[in-house]
Amino acid sequence: GAGVSQSPRYKVAKRGQDVALRCDPISGHVSLFWYQQALGQGPEFLTYFQNEAQLDKSGLPSDRFFAERPEGSVSTLKIQRTQQEDSAVYLCASSPYAGGSLQETQYFGPGTRLLVL
Amino acid sequence: GESVGLHLPTLSVQEGDNSIINCAYSNSASDYFIWYKQESGKGPQFIIDIRSNMDKRQGQRVTVLLNKTVKHLSLQIAATQPGDSAVYFCAERAGGSYIPTFGRGTSLIVHP
Repeated sequence: GAGVSQSPRYKVAKRGQDVALRCDPISGHVSLFWYQQALGQGPEFLTYFQNEAQLDKSGLPSDRFFAERPEGSVSTLKIQRTQQEDSAVYLCASSPYAGGSLQETQYFGPGTRLLVL
Repeated sequence: GESVGLHLPTLSVQEGDNSIINCAYSNSASDYFIWYKQESGKGPQFIIDIRSNMDKRQGQRVTVLLNKTVKHLSLQIAATQPGDSAVYFCAERAGGSYIPTFGRGTSLIVHP
């Protein structure tokens, strides 16, 4: 079956441009996570959705970052007025269970590599 | 051998050797630990996990060891294969949290 997909895979933006990154989770998965991964580092949590509800956005680095999952399936991470420090890989992960389950069930997508010039 | 450079620590091994990748975690409240494998251009892939009430857990060709006293985690890969070449991350979670905190990765290079 299909895994988590993300689009675009690569995005080059000029500083100040707005970008939108899409995540298609595994069908039926309740939980959806966004992470930011800088070069040579581990992923860092950005935000968490349970169905359409954004339960945690504590990791979003600034108010330029906004995420939504309006119908509880596809999610979009939007970055407004991009800055060079936003350059990173943005990973999406989904899980069939609600957050905090007793075992790790996150399935990661391939990520979107964002380069801000 | 193992080296720590400016970027990712790197472990180079020969095919067939056993590999040991180490990880130090920081939060004494963490009770769940996970190892991920990340190949170039892909997202992290779950390998094995362990709860804090265990010291050792084995999977297929992989073993995770947990030493809570010194907050240390290791991943052992038996008979390492070229397909094992990737960056390996450990992650920790504290009781009931859904947010894994990833450690610094280790790049494993397997020479045929």
